[in-house]
Amino acid sequence: KQEVTQIPAALSVPEGENLVLNCSFTDSAIYNLQWFRQDPGKGLTSLLLIQSSQREQTSGRLNASLDKSSGRSTLYIAASQPGDSATYLCAVAQGGSEKLVFGKGMKLTVNP
Amino acid sequence: EAQVTQNPRYLITVTGKKLTVTCSQNMNHEYMSWYRQDPGLGLRQIYYSMNVEVTDKGDVPEGYKVSRKEKRNFPLILESPSPNQTSLYFCASSLGSTGVPYGYTFGSGTRLTVV
Repeated sequence: KQEVTQIPAALSVPEGENLVLNCSFTDSAIYNLQWFRQDPGKGLTSLLLIQSSQREQTSGRLNASLDKSSGRSTLYIAASQPGDSATYLCAVAQGGSEKLVFGKGMKLTVNP
Repeated sequence: EAQVTQNPRYLITVTGKKLTVTCSQNMNHEYMSWYRQDPGLGLRQIYYSMNVEVTDKGDVPEGYKVSRKEKRNFPLILESPSPNQTSLYFCASSLGSTGVPYGYTFGSGTRLTVV
């Protein structure tokens, strides 16, 4: 059974820091991996999607990498801003199905 | 605008009173799914649908029903809600197993409270 882990559960940093958020998964037979952002009480906003055949994806200050063989992904946030404060969720789509398995998320607080 | 629309956004109901949460997508996606999100448990899949008239159970289907009569709609039905179904619910859609590149799009969520 696929398990997705995000450690730490929470992180508080000063504005301007470059951040690395970690995600690990136990079964490497994935279709893709997706990073989401969730603001309190709100829905999920897709940030980046990496197909199983890809190594990384970039969007603005965000860069996500995928190492399928070791079961790891990282989300890199450059020059963090208070507006980046949110919960970040990692999810993998299982190969052979459409099911998304989520990590429990990492709550990020960027202090001005 | 491509989106998944859920209604209502907030709902307070009493135990045993049947309710339906609607979900509609305008992207012609084949795959649709319902998740619930609870503190400490994260997001868990309730039901999913690969296409019209094709539905199957996720990880936590007890107490829920779904139907997929049209491609765009995937309502979640609680026949007899109980307090343990108090949660934040999300509907999601995806292009389908032959076209996953665009990933999943989620609705804004429905916060359900059962008293």
